[in-house]
Amino acid sequence: GAVVSQHPSWVICKSGTSVKIECRSLDFQATTMFWYRQFPKQSLMLMATSNEGSKATYEQGVEKDKFLINHASLTLSTLTVTSAHPEDSSFYICSARDPMGTTYEQYFGPGTRLTVT
Amino acid sequence: KQEVTQIPAALSVPEGENLVLNCSFTDSAIYNLQWFRQDPGKGLTSLLLIQSSQREQTSGRLNASLDKSSGRSTLYIAASQPGDSATYLCASHSGNTPLVFGKGTRLSVIA
Repeated sequence: GAVVSQHPSWVICKSGTSVKIECRSLDFQATTMFWYRQFPKQSLMLMATSNEGSKATYEQGVEKDKFLINHASLTLSTLTVTSAHPEDSSFYICSARDPMGTTYEQYFGPGTRLTVT
Repeated sequence: KQEVTQIPAALSVPEGENLVLNCSFTDSAIYNLQWFRQDPGKGLTSLLLIQSSQREQTSGRLNASLDKSSGRSTLYIAASQPGDSATYLCASHSGNTPLVFGKGTRLSVIA
């Protein structure tokens, strides 16, 4: 199956700083990527849909100025958490869909655990 | 807007038991229904994907069924093992929309 990577796998940062998370599709070109967030013992909640070459579409309640998404190439999307606060501590997972696939299956990265102190 | 519900929220069974996890969804116009496994602190492992034209999919001791008309899917695990302990998530989408996840079922298989 298709492979999606994320970097870093975990990061600790101080309150007020910014953190960038990278999501890459390794063996296919992804015109669309998705960013999810998961708090402890809860399910995955979609944050935004990232489209290559255009602005991301954010879900209701997600601050677009705080969670900056850039999808500058067909294999890379980045999520930047700006001015991070402890409540932003969470597990962030990206996902990509292979446009050449016939099942619309989403492939998931391994996730990035962000801890803001 | 699609809503996905999973019952039960948690389940504890003795080793060797067969078990069924339930998933229901509100919008029957789905394209795929997918089951995932998530170990604590880890990412998602895709278990089975059922396309809307299919009724079930099997992989080893796992069998997933789909009934679009009733908005239900089940994941059957045969002869459960302690290594099956994890959270099981179901998710669905309609065409090019993103996957919508249920809250998951936390399974514990006791040796």
